[in-house]
Amino acid sequence: EVQLVESGGGLVQPGGSLRLSCVASGFTFSSYWMHWVRQAPGKGLLWVARVSIDGSSAMYADSVKGRFTISRDNAKDTLYLQMNSPRLEDTAVYYCVRDPRVATGYFDLWGRGTLVTVSS
Amino acid sequence: DFVVTQSPDSLAVSLGERATINCKSSQSVLYSSNSRDYLAWYQLKPGQPPKLLIYWASTRGSGVPDRFSGSGSGTDFTLTISNLQAEDVAVYYCQQYYTTPYTFGQGTKLEI
Repeated sequence: EVQLVESGGGLVQPGGSLRLSCVASGFTFSSYWMHWVRQAPGKGLLWVARVSIDGSSAMYADSVKGRFTISRDNAKDTLYLQMNSPRLEDTAVYYCVRDPRVATGYFDLWGRGTLVTVSS
Repeated sequence: DFVVTQSPDSLAVSLGERATINCKSSQSVLYSSNSRDYLAWYQLKPGQPPKLLIYWASTRGSGVPDRFSGSGSGTDFTLTISNLQAEDVAVYYCQQYYTTPYTFGQGTKLEI
């Protein structure tokens, strides 16, 4: 089955750190650009970051730039989001999503998401 | 950043009727070199992964029923759901992918 499964969410204190993971299955992970998208409680969707096929190129939303790092391990079919110095406003469900073409920017496959709560 | 605005915020439609959701971008998402509009639509239901409905403004995603159709170009777009079914109850989002940061509309909640 073609799917993305996120994990690693939970409660984190402001200024702490947390790493999200996303395991891909059913397709050739190493052939696709990947992204993270989040949804804060009661809010809309927000694109967070993207990474190239080989992990050499990454781009971030201004709101997370310098604090979050997107990366991937193609040998493990896994996407990561390292969240450093999270803020209260980073509380959200984080979705791992697939870009069907090279950095096209729309998302044809989504995971179910993992909830991150930033609170003291 | 491109600002994407949807209307209405919510709507109620009877079973078997038509639902229309509008999406407006603050700048054109039509790329002149390939004549494509960089606009997608998604469906979000509780407890399920979000689903791609429409991309390139009017191309249906894999497995999407033909009751769902997208139209428009430039800055103004529409998602139309014909013959509304109970399973269409969801929140719908449009998204521009013409440029980063990719941005979404605020969502439209569709009820029966």
